[in-house]
Amino acid sequence: ILNVEQSPQSLHVQEGDSTNFTCSFPSSNFYALHWYRWETAKSPEALFVMTLNGDEKKKGRISATLNTKEGYSYLYIKGSQPEDSATYLCAFKGSSNTGKLIFGQGTTLQVKP
Amino acid sequence: DTAVSQTPKYLVTQMGNDKSIKCEQNLGHDTMYWYKQDSKKFLKIMFSYNNKELIINETVPNRFSPKSPDKAHLNLHINSLELGDSAVYFCASSQRGQGTNEKLFFGSGTQLSVL
Repeated sequence: ILNVEQSPQSLHVQEGDSTNFTCSFPSSNFYALHWYRWETAKSPEALFVMTLNGDEKKKGRISATLNTKEGYSYLYIKGSQPEDSATYLCAFKGSSNTGKLIFGQGTTLQVKP
Repeated sequence: DTAVSQTPKYLVTQMGNDKSIKCEQNLGHDTMYWYKQDSKKFLKIMFSYNNKELIINETVPNRFSPKSPDKAHLNLHINSLELGDSAVYFCASSQRGQGTNEKLFFGSGTQLSVL
């Protein structure tokens, strides 16, 4: 059974704080790592798809890094804003699991004004 | 313009009933999926169709039957509903198959409550 774990499960920060959270995944047979942002009452939306060890992706104030050898990815949010409040999901795709995306449980971020 | 739309948004029904959830995507994608959000909030794949062909069929009771009349539609029919079927079901699509790096586009979910 492939496990994808995210930590922390929830996080409360003040507006303007920078924050980061972790996605851990199997370090063997890596194919891709996805990050999704899921606002309450909306659909999950893709942030990044990462495929190469050492990859860094950036979208506005949000960035992500990838370490496939040790099996983790970090998501960073610089200068958090209330509109960043959402659940952030990561999903792992291995090369030997018929291409299925295995989702983590998510990190729920609350940014207080 | 909703890219992936699923109906209904809420479905409350009695045990033993048969119900369907519909999904349509207007993105021109080849692949569609059904995911179930389990009690621990994990999104778990149930089915995947590529151009109307079943690609992924997870260990799901055969009371669940997906139907894809064309590549823009993937409906989920559930027979003899049980209490344990209560969950949120998400439809999704991607440009090509799940064996690629394509990101998923999700519908807004259908909350099924079986009483």
